[in-house]
Amino acid sequence: DVKVTQSSRYLVKRTGEKVFLECVQDMDHENMFWYRQDPGLGLRLIYFSYDVKMKEKGDIPEGYSVSREKKERFSLILESASTNQTSMYLCASSTGDLGTQYFGPGTRLLVL
Amino acid sequence: SQKIEQNSEALNIQEGKTATLTCNYTNYSPAYLQWYRQDPGRGPVFLLLIRENEKEKRKERLKVTFDTTLKQSLFHITASQPADSATYLCALDFTGGGNKLTFGTGTQLKVEL
Repeated sequence: DVKVTQSSRYLVKRTGEKVFLECVQDMDHENMFWYRQDPGLGLRLIYFSYDVKMKEKGDIPEGYSVSREKKERFSLILESASTNQTSMYLCASSTGDLGTQYFGPGTRLLVL
Repeated sequence: SQKIEQNSEALNIQEGKTATLTCNYTNYSPAYLQWYRQDPGRGPVFLLLIRENEKEKRKERLKVTFDTTLKQSLFHITASQPADSATYLCALDFTGGGNKLTFGTGTQLKVEL
């Protein structure tokens, strides 16, 4: 079974803090993704990576950065957390032409 | 711009009935379309993929249709059960490259006893 894990299920941070969210997949997938999900807005793509050290901006990259130093690991960084970044963050991975995505359990981040 | 539309209103049906969810898209002819299930507080889980040259796809109690002329996919759950209650998302690759999916906002299904 494909397994995508995320470092935390729940996280509480203060405004201005630097926040690291980590994602690890065990299926040797080339592609990895970070989304945020908010009520009524659905899944919105923040960044994705199609290879080690490669990254592309998604639809809402502002305020975020990413790192992919190893194939299995994709990190999302909030340089200076703000209250409007309170959300559910979901990581996913995929491979192949059809792009079926496998999601982690999500991290619910609260920024106070 | 490309857009996916799913009914934002929850669908309530009685156990044993067939649930039908709709996914409409604009301005693009995708090579395939995917459906995912999401339970509260969890990540989406892939259910089915249907290609443009397939009119219908089945998996156990699930059936998906894909009408590229209408730009619409229908997702059916037959003999629905309370355990089918969840949010169902459709997803398309508008880039054509197989790497990036755009997800609809999903439709919440509630199956009542």
